[in-house]
Amino acid sequence: DVLMTQSPLSLSVTLGQPASISCRSSQSLGNSDGNTYLSWFHQRPGQSPRRLIFKVSSRDSGVPDRFSGSGSGTDFTLKISRVEAEDVGVYYCMQGTYWPRTFGQGTNVEIK
Amino acid sequence: EVRLVESGGGLVQPGGSLRLSCVASGFSFSSYWMTWVRQAPGKGLEWVATIKQDASEKYFVDSVKGRFTVSRDNAKNSLCLQMNSLRVDDTALYYCARGMSSHDSWGQGTLVTVSS
Repeated sequence: DVLMTQSPLSLSVTLGQPASISCRSSQSLGNSDGNTYLSWFHQRPGQSPRRLIFKVSSRDSGVPDRFSGSGSGTDFTLKISRVEAEDVGVYYCMQGTYWPRTFGQGTNVEIK
Repeated sequence: EVRLVESGGGLVQPGGSLRLSCVASGFSFSSYWMTWVRQAPGKGLEWVATIKQDASEKYFVDSVKGRFTVSRDNAKNSLCLQMNSLRVDDTALYYCARGMSSHDSWGQGTLVTVSS
């Protein structure tokens, strides 16, 4: 199975400051179709996950442009340019290239 | 608006069975792969199973192989997860999600509790 390792697991950020979460996979996530299936999800307490980013860097409709995804191969990053109060919660990366699909452990973001 | 509504969760004893359902609306259900993801209390997300549009391909996490089956009824826009031989560690909130390699829409989840 592809192991997805996120860091840090916990992040305390001042409002308006940037934040960055790393996600590393145990195998390259490049697919034979030319795509890299790495997604990012945000889950607020008591809510279902919401996808923010798919295929490494494509932002979902309605996702603020302060969220950006980057990376390639086995090394990926989610960046929030200026953290807002609504950004608290847990962020997960997920690989969709291999079976079984696997998620990172999650990164809990709180406001300092 | 895409909507996914799960149902069927509840309390069941170890070794028992449960059938979860997910009803979809707001999109062409028959055009999408569909997936089940679960989340144990206080834990992270775990992919469980995925089924192709025509049910010709199905994939499962190893821990549920031989115990869970996934099916769909495209005429009724519904997805099902039949869970047999349930174990305490199957306790989780089960989400229905759209897609195969990523999941752009999720339901609110249905809670399965396996306990004696």
